[in-house]
Amino acid sequence: QQQVKQSPQSLIVQKGGISIINCAYENTAFDYFPWYQQFPGKGPALLIAIRPDVSEKKEGRFTISFNKSAKQFSLHIMDSQPGDSATYFCAASIGNDYKLSFGAGTTVTVRA
Amino acid sequence: KAGVTQTPRYLIKTRGQQVTLSCSPISGHRSVSWYQQTPGQGLQFLFEYFSETQRNKGNFPGRFSGRQFSNSRSEMNVSTLELGDSALYLCASSLGGAEEKLFFGSGTQLSVL
Repeated sequence: QQQVKQSPQSLIVQKGGISIINCAYENTAFDYFPWYQQFPGKGPALLIAIRPDVSEKKEGRFTISFNKSAKQFSLHIMDSQPGDSATYFCAASIGNDYKLSFGAGTTVTVRA
Repeated sequence: KAGVTQTPRYLIKTRGQQVTLSCSPISGHRSVSWYQQTPGQGLQFLFEYFSETQRNKGNFPGRFSGRQFSNSRSEMNVSTLELGDSALYLCASSLGGAEEKLFFGSGTQLSVL
């Protein structure tokens, strides 16, 4: 079963709007939470990552918010652009496990 | 710097056959991971190798196997193919630390008929 639950499955946003994707997990041993972006025909590419000792991390227009007590984290895409249209995956891993547990993915469509 | 190279890009096989997929990591990367991506199950971890040693394995049947060579190149093999093995198989390389950034290839699209 999916160890990381991701929602929504898809979303449509107007250019300049904010896209918000949410993820939740149960395993409190997870200590690394990356987000990956995937375009059609390509493999996923790391977008931004966070550790649970940080509540928020921002890189350009992308921000991760992390709520350790609720076991939830989210990706905010500010000022969404058509080039941001892609599938986004949240993921989690445990220390020296060397594997990522991925969410089911969210397809984001940005309308011009 | 060249990225992760996976060959072949597309593959069509019939049930019962076996298949070998190849992955060449980024130069200097010693870790190679394999993931299966399907519309229904998403991205599922298969296994991870570092310096020719398997460090972790996902919940896949024994028909799925892999290996890594001394030059860090990796292969995965699926024997006795089933229809449900149709998927995009992704390889990712990294330097090998616990939270190292994974660099994914474009994958091998396997279709089992």
